[in-house]
Amino acid sequence: SQQGEEDPQALSIQEGENATMNCSYKTSINNLQWYRQNSGRGLVHLILIRSNEREKHSGRLRVTLDTSKKSSSLLITASRAADTASYFCATPRRRSDSSYKLIFGSGTRLLVRP
Amino acid sequence: SQTIHQWPATLVQPVGSPLSLECTVEGTSNPNLYWYRQAAGRGLQLLFYSVGIGQISSEVPQNLSASRPQDRQFILSSKKLLLSDSGFYLCAFQDRNLYGYTFGSGTRLTVV
Repeated sequence: SQQGEEDPQALSIQEGENATMNCSYKTSINNLQWYRQNSGRGLVHLILIRSNEREKHSGRLRVTLDTSKKSSSLLITASRAADTASYFCATPRRRSDSSYKLIFGSGTRLLVRP
Repeated sequence: SQTIHQWPATLVQPVGSPLSLECTVEGTSNPNLYWYRQAAGRGLQLLFYSVGIGQISSEVPQNLSASRPQDRQFILSSKKLLLSDSGFYLCAFQDRNLYGYTFGSGTRLTVV
């Protein structure tokens, strides 16, 4: 089963606007990660936020984490057409051998119209 | 620098034929390796992971198998493909000193 679930499933905005995507998860985590996937390509790691952090920035990306609500948001400011992609949140789940595996949500498809 | 190579990019195979997808990693030692499958417009499903040579863990029962004959080589195989094996297959590695995963460019498999 998927740990993280993003909403909305699809988002269409005008270039220059901000895009906000949300992710909810079910179990306790020690970090949450966001990835980006261009159509037909592999995923690219964008940013990681640890459970003891509330907000993190990387360029035009801003990620927040609310562990009490088990939710995270990804904000892309001043969007560009090149930001068009699918965005996934991922959370680690502990395995029986004490290692971790990443569980991905179903993603948000972002379309930035020029 | 750390890189991952996955091939082929696209593959069309008849039902009942064998499959071999290969993934190699450079610039890191003893990485954790993963095979994911992605259905169209959906999230990623973890198929296999490996924490070392010859060590394979399967996440879901299926028609596929995985092998890790070398530290930085991960192979996804099938003896007889089914139509339901169609999908987008992604290989990924995790450097043990880092949290994030690095993904290959994926293989689009169509079973006809």
